[in-house]
Amino acid sequence: NAGVTQTPKFRVLKTGQSMTLLCAQDMNHEYMYWYRQDPGMGLRLIHYSVGEGTTAKGEVPDGYNVSRLKKKQNFLLGLESAAPSQTSVYFCASSDQGRVPEAFFGQGTRLTVV
Amino acid sequence: GNSVTQMEGPVTLSEEAFLTINCTYTATGYPSLFWYVQYPGEGLQLLLKATKADDKGSNKGFEATYRKETTSFHLEKGSVQVSDSAVYFCALTRYTGNTPLVFGKGTRLSVIA
Repeated sequence: NAGVTQTPKFRVLKTGQSMTLLCAQDMNHEYMYWYRQDPGMGLRLIHYSVGEGTTAKGEVPDGYNVSRLKKKQNFLLGLESAAPSQTSVYFCASSDQGRVPEAFFGQGTRLTVV
Repeated sequence: GNSVTQMEGPVTLSEEAFLTINCTYTATGYPSLFWYVQYPGEGLQLLLKATKADDKGSNKGFEATYRKETTSFHLEKGSVQVSDSAVYFCALTRYTGNTPLVFGKGTRLSVIA
């Protein structure tokens, strides 16, 4: 039972390069989220999806785009032109519908932009 | 808007000491409240939760009570162990239109033998 899987686990980018972070969940959850974690800032929501083909902006969406084509498939986080300010640890999470659904998190992707 | 404030760390305790990590929240209506824990090098995992006023969430010896009158959800453990060393996050959500989890900034706990 894999849960939430993120790839890659580590990546170093040069300023201006682009990349896509992949998140996959095998729990048939409707909702998926991308957070970034920075020292002293906790977790901040970048974008999220409440179902197939839907996405919405979170607290810090600038510089990122997301794609979710089918519910069970990957929730992709794209950086079109990486900046050093995007150096962070990125976490994907998913949750089901319901009164108080638990969110399940991936192991994180550590991204460094130089 | 919804927000969570938790005590800043780091917190360093000796093994078997009593732990309290304070958490207060601001939200409209009746949020659900959570504590998540992050062990070194891992993602977050749910520690406990409470869905309405006066509910007590508990797990692995940790407890937190949903106090609506003080808008608080403080985490407590009577006797901490070295294995409890981690970062603890308080969080809330309101399940109307699936409001995403809002997190506090986290409190790092180090327990020394």
